[in-house]
Amino acid sequence: GAGVSQSPSNKVTEKGKDVELRCDPISGHTALYWYRQSLGQGLEFLIYFQGNSAPDKSGLPSDRFSAERTGGSVSTLTIQRTQQEDSAVYLCASSLVAGGGDTQYFGPGTRLTVL
Amino acid sequence: DAKTTQPPSMDCAEGRAANLPCNHSTISGNEYVYWYRQIHSQGPQYIIHGLKNNETNEMASLIITEDRKSSTLILPHATLRDTAVYYCIVREDTGGFKTIFGAGTRLFVKA
Repeated sequence: GAGVSQSPSNKVTEKGKDVELRCDPISGHTALYWYRQSLGQGLEFLIYFQGNSAPDKSGLPSDRFSAERTGGSVSTLTIQRTQQEDSAVYLCASSLVAGGGDTQYFGPGTRLTVL
Repeated sequence: DAKTTQPPSMDCAEGRAANLPCNHSTISGNEYVYWYRQIHSQGPQYIIHGLKNNETNEMASLIITEDRKSSTLILPHATLRDTAVYYCIVREDTGGFKTIFGAGTRLFVKA
């Protein structure tokens, strides 16, 4: 596709339920990043992938959060036993390669609301 | 990643140049300076980046000081649609490859 796409665009769930958020990067981009943005806040880095591997998982806030990437393309961010503080916009970005000279292109985000 | 410091908000008159400053005094030699912006309820949008030299593209100009400890993003003719939060980021070239976004500068372009 022309850009990074994310689904769903909005997700409302009940506390304690699991959710899966999907990211389709730009075709050919080997690096993929997940961020979250709480209301009125800046972006918080969660995890990045180079190919299918995740060298840096340091941003994941707890062990309820996990992410995987298959085939060097689509990535899924899973949040288990959701809590109200997980409510945020989850943003995905991709870049041609992972490095200081690359440019990250962002998707529109998934707005997660935990009731 | 090096830390950046930006003013929390700025105003600019429509049609005038908007000059957004950023301090990154701890930047290292192989770190790039990036600028992104985020318009309400959208994902961040890439604007421009540079290493040492000044850069210009169709959206903006980036002026980096000789010691690389600060930079300025210039929107030459601001429009109402440029109202957004502007993020200045410095990115390490090795290691985490993660982009750390601070609070940014909220630019208000007024008619």
